[in-house]
Amino acid sequence: KNQVEQSPQSLIILEGKNCTLQCNYTVSPFSNLRWYKQDTGRGPVSLTIMTFSENTKSNGRYTATLDADTKQSSLHITASQLSDSASYICVVRRMDSSYKLIFGSGTRLLVRP
Amino acid sequence: DTEVTQTPKHLVMGMTNKKSLKCEQHMGHRAMYWYKQKAKKPPELMFVYSYEKLSINESVPSRFSPECPNSSLLNLHLHALQPEDSALYLCAAGVAGGETQYFGPGTRLLVL
Repeated sequence: KNQVEQSPQSLIILEGKNCTLQCNYTVSPFSNLRWYKQDTGRGPVSLTIMTFSENTKSNGRYTATLDADTKQSSLHITASQLSDSASYICVVRRMDSSYKLIFGSGTRLLVRP
Repeated sequence: DTEVTQTPKHLVMGMTNKKSLKCEQHMGHRAMYWYKQKAKKPPELMFVYSYEKLSINESVPSRFSPECPNSSLLNLHLHALQPEDSALYLCAAGVAGGETQYFGPGTRLLVL
C-alpha cells in the first residue's frame, strides 16, 4: 500500500534552535519526494524536491535528505524563526502516469520566542 | 508570492446557494488541479485537468462541478453543498504528468 508517514505529529521548539522532521514512505515505484510548508489557512509552498539519485538538497535554512534504500527522508531546519511555525508536509509521487501525489499527514511545528 | 491565484479568499454560502471558485495561473502549465483540505488533514485530490480536458475525477459528488475554460483558468462551481463540504479548497497548476505542482493560497469555504 502506498503510504507516507510523518513524525512527530507536532513539535514545539524555542526560537533559534534546530529541529529535524521525519518522513517514511512505502510508495513504489518511487519518482520524487517533496517537502511543503503550509501556513494555517494557506496553500502549501514547495521547499525542496528530490529524485531517486539525490541525497541532500538545501533551500536556505531548510535541508532535506533522502535515503531511497530505506525509504526515509528528513527535513532539518536550522536556527528556527517564529515564521517557521507551520505544518510541514512530505509528499511522494509514484513513477507512473498518475497525477496523484501521496501526502503525509504533516508535522505541525510551533516556534516559541 | 504564489503564481497561482484563487478567488475569493473566503466564501460563506447557504445550502441552496450557487457559487463558483476561481483559479488562475500564468505559468503556462497544462495540468490544473482542485484539492479539498479539512483542518489538520492533508489535501485530498478532487479533479485533474490536463490540456483543458478533465482527466481525473476522484468520485466527487455532482454538487461540485469543475470547468476549465482555457489553459489559464480553472473554475469550481458549487451547488446545494452540505455543511460537511466546509473546507479549504486549493487549486494547483503543474507540468502535465504531475512532476511539479504549485499551489494557490486557497479559498476557505463555509457552508451554513
